[in-house]
Amino acid sequence: DIQMTQSPSTLSASVGDRVTITCRASESISIWLAWYQQKPGKAPNLIIYKASSLESGVPSRFSGSGSGTEFTLTISSLQPEDFATYYCQQYKSFPWTFGQGIKVEIK
Amino acid sequence: QVQLVQSGTDARKPGASVRVSCKASGYTFTSFAVSWVRQAPGQGLVWMGWISPYNGDTKYAQEFQGRVTLTTETPTTTVYMELSGLRSDDTAMYFCLRDNGGALDYWGQGTLVTVSS
Repeated sequence: DIQMTQSPSTLSASVGDRVTITCRASESISIWLAWYQQKPGKAPNLIIYKASSLESGVPSRFSGSGSGTEFTLTISSLQPEDFATYYCQQYKSFPWTFGQGIKVEIK
Repeated sequence: QVQLVQSGTDARKPGASVRVSCKASGYTFTSFAVSWVRQAPGQGLVWMGWISPYNGDTKYAQEFQGRVTLTTETPTTTVYMELSGLRSDDTAMYFCLRDNGGALDYWGQGTLVTVSS
């Protein structure tokens, strides 16, 4: 199985900060990577697919980059509604696997 | 609009089975696979399996192989997830989602399954 590792495990930031989250795959997954945002008590929402494609309706302050084994999710200017947990997921091959999640907290 | 509506909260005893339904609407049912993901309390996301409503093909995570069965009912656009041999560590929120080539673009609201004696 392909292992996905996210860093850091927790991130404290302020409104307006530029935030970058990293996800590493244990082997090359090309661009077959998605990012999800999950708020407490809610189902996750897809925000980025194919490593850098923004899902419809997602604000443009979110962006994704990377290929192969290293990927990043960037929030250009953190907004109050962005405090949440973020997961990466590979879909290069079954079983689909997720990173452990990164909680973005208010500093 | 695309919607996935799941059955309600369920409580089971250890060793029992549970079946969770997921009714899809707002898109062509046979054009997209459905995946299931679970999330234990305070934990991360774990992919369980995948089914193609087009031909019934399934894929399961090794962790659940032999205990999970996914089925579809095309006339009612419903997907079912059955998990057998329940243990206390199966207590979790179970999500069905539309699998768009691996990107999970629409999620059901989740079904809480509690396993306790």
